[in-house]
Amino acid sequence: GAVVSQHPSRVICKSGTSVKIECRSLDFQATTMFWYRQFPKQSLMLMATSNEGSKATYEQGVEKDKFLINHASLTLSTLTVTSAHPEDSSFYICSASGTGRNTEAFFGQGTRLTVV
Amino acid sequence: AQTVTQSQPEMSVQEAETVTLSCTYDTSESDYYLFWYKQPPSRQMILVIRQEAYKQQNATENRFSVNFQKAAKSFSLKISDSQLGDAAMYFCAYLGAGTYKYIFGTGTRLKVLA
Repeated sequence: GAVVSQHPSRVICKSGTSVKIECRSLDFQATTMFWYRQFPKQSLMLMATSNEGSKATYEQGVEKDKFLINHASLTLSTLTVTSAHPEDSSFYICSASGTGRNTEAFFGQGTRLTVV
Repeated sequence: AQTVTQSQPEMSVQEAETVTLSCTYDTSESDYYLFWYKQPPSRQMILVIRQEAYKQQNATENRFSVNFQKAAKSFSLKISDSQLGDAAMYFCAYLGAGTYKYIFGTGTRLKVLA
C-alpha cells in the first residue's frame, strides 16, 4: 500500500506554545487528507478534512482557530495546535487518500502530543 | 447519518483458534465500502480487509475473511488460526462512495491467549 509519513511521532511542549505536526504522502498525490484525534482506548474522532489548495472543513465542535490545518501541496498537510493546553494532550493521526472513487485512505504513524 | 456499531469491547481467543468480531452499520446509501483496520500497540492503523458493497462475494485475505450481509447491514470479521501477533484493537469502518470521510466503530480489543 501507499506510504504516509507523520512527524514527529512524539512531542512534548509547554502550555501556551504551538506545535506543528506534518503529514506527508510519500508515493502518491493526496488530494484529501484527514486529521483524527484518538483518546486512550477510544476510537478515532475526525477533526477535519482538508483538500489541497482549499480551506479545511472542520467537524462540529472542533475549534478551527485552535487546530490550524494547511494543505498547501498534494503531498503535505500540517496540523498546528496553537496555544496548547494540557487538555490538548492526545494521539493525533493523519490519513491521506488520492483521487477518484473507491479511494482507500492510508494512515500515518500518529503523533503523541503531551502538553505540560 | 451513517453509524457503525461494534458491540464487543473486548474478545479473547486461544492461539490457533478462530474468532469472529461483529460490526453492524446503518446507512441509506446504496454504494459504499466497508473496512476492518487493525491498530496494534504501535498505534499504526493497518488495513486488514475491505469489502465493496456492490460485491456479493465475501472478501478474504489469507486468514482473514468477512461475512457481509448487506440486507442485515452486518459486516463481521473472522480470524482463523489466530496468532499472537493478531492481538490488537480492531476497528470497523464505513466509507460512502460519494465521500472520502470514514466513519469508525468504537473498536474491539482482541486478546490472543497462548
